[in-house]
Amino acid sequence: DQQVKQNSPSLSVQEGRISILNCDYTNSMFDYFLWYKKYPAEGPTFLISISSIKDKNEDGRFTVFLNKSAKHLSLHIVPSQPGDSAVYFCAARAPSNTGKLIFGQGTTLQVKP
Amino acid sequence: DVKVTQSSRYLVKRTGEKVFLECVQDMDHENMFWYRQDPGLGLRLIYFSYDVKMKEKGDIPEGYSVSREKKERFSLILESASTNQTSMYLCASSDRDRGEGAFFGQGTRLTVV
Repeated sequence: DQQVKQNSPSLSVQEGRISILNCDYTNSMFDYFLWYKKYPAEGPTFLISISSIKDKNEDGRFTVFLNKSAKHLSLHIVPSQPGDSAVYFCAARAPSNTGKLIFGQGTTLQVKP
Repeated sequence: DVKVTQSSRYLVKRTGEKVFLECVQDMDHENMFWYRQDPGLGLRLIYFSYDVKMKEKGDIPEGYSVSREKKERFSLILESASTNQTSMYLCASSDRDRGEGAFFGQGTRLTVV
C-alpha cells in the first residue's frame, strides 16, 4: 500500500516558467512533509519541508503548499532553471519520534533552455 | 555541514556472497536509515535504527540485516546476495527532534552478478 504517491513520473518545463510537482498521501497522521532533489549517482538532498500545521512554506524560488483536506502537497519552482533538472521525491514523516520517512516514487523534472 | 559517508560508491558482487555496506555520520544523530532506490519505485525503507543496538524493519527487510554497535555507524548486510538485490543503496541519518528531515550519503550502486 503506497502511502505517499507521486502520480507523474516526469515533467518537462521551459526555462523561466513555473514547475509544479504534486504529491498525494493517505495517512492524516503524518506530521512533516519534505521534498528532496536527486541527481544521478548522488544521494538525495533536502530541499524544503512543511509542518502539518501549516499550509505554505517558501524558500527562495521554492514554495511548498499543503492541502490537508485533500491530503495533497505540491512543490512550486519559480522561475525554473536548467540546473533544476533532477528527480524530485516527496516524503512524509511517520507520526512517531523515530524520524522514519516514507517516500513517493519520484518525478523527473526536465527544464529546457 | 552534516556528513553521511558510505564506504563504497560502486560494488560488484557474486550471487551468494555476503555483502557489507557501511555508513558513517558525523552529526551525532540518533536515527539512521537504509533505503534502496529502484526506477519507478522511489526510495523504499529496508531498516532503520533509532539508537545504538536498536533497529526496526522497514518495508522490505527480507534478505537484509543491520548492525548498529556505535551511534555513528550503521551497517547493512546482505546475507546471501541475489541478483534482485542489484540496486542503489542509500544511507541517511536524522536528528530525532528536528523536522529538517534526513541527510543522505552519496549512495552505493551494488551490482550482483
